Amino acid sequence: EIVLTQSPDFQSVTPKEKVTITCRASQSIGSSLHWYQQKPDQSPKLLIKYASQSFSGVPSRFSGSGSGTDFTLTINSLEAEDAATYYCHQSSSLPLTFGQGTKVEIK
Amino acid sequence: QVQLVQSGAEVKKPGSSVKVSCKASGGTFSSYAISWVRQAPGQGLEWMGGIIPIFGTANYAQKFQGRVTITADESTSTAYMELSSLRSEDTAVYYCARTIIRDGYNLEYFQHWGQGTLVTVSS
Repeated sequence: EIVLTQSPDFQSVTPKEKVTITCRASQSIGSSLHWYQQKPDQSPKLLIKYASQSFSGVPSRFSGSGSGTDFTLTINSLEAEDAATYYCHQSSSLPLTFGQGTKVEIK
Repeated sequence: QVQLVQSGAEVKKPGSSVKVSCKASGGTFSSYAISWVRQAPGQGLEWMGGIIPIFGTANYAQKFQGRVTITADESTSTAYMELSSLRSEDTAVYYCARTIIRDGYNLEYFQHWGQGTLVTVSS
């Protein structure tokens, strides 16, 4: 099973700041890495597919990068509505797995 | 637009079973897979398994093998997840998610999610 480790677990950020979340895979997964946002009491929503491709309708301040074992989700100029927990997910091999999540709080 | 509508909340006794439904609308049901992902209270996301309706066979996470059954009815565009031998640790919100397929059978990313179904297991 591929283990995904996100860092940090929690981040408190001021609006307009830049946020960087990393996701490290226990083995190489190419670009089979996807990012989701989950706001409190809501279902997760797809942000980024295949490491760097933005999903339709996602604000341009969200971007992803990386390949192999190391990946990054960047939120440029954080907005209050971005308060959420962010998860990475790999589809390189079964079972599909998620990172443990990174909670982003707005100061 | 794509919608996945799940059945309502359930309260179950330990040792019993639960069956959750997920009705899809918008898009072609058979062109995608349906995965089931659960989230225990205050915890992260956990993939349970997925099914490609045109093939009818499901893949399951080993943790749930033998206890979970995922099926799909193309005629009604509805997928089902049945979990048996319930225990308190199965208390969670269960989500269905439309899953993109690559190369005809590889499960990729979760494009759209249902609203979630809370299953509470309590004596």
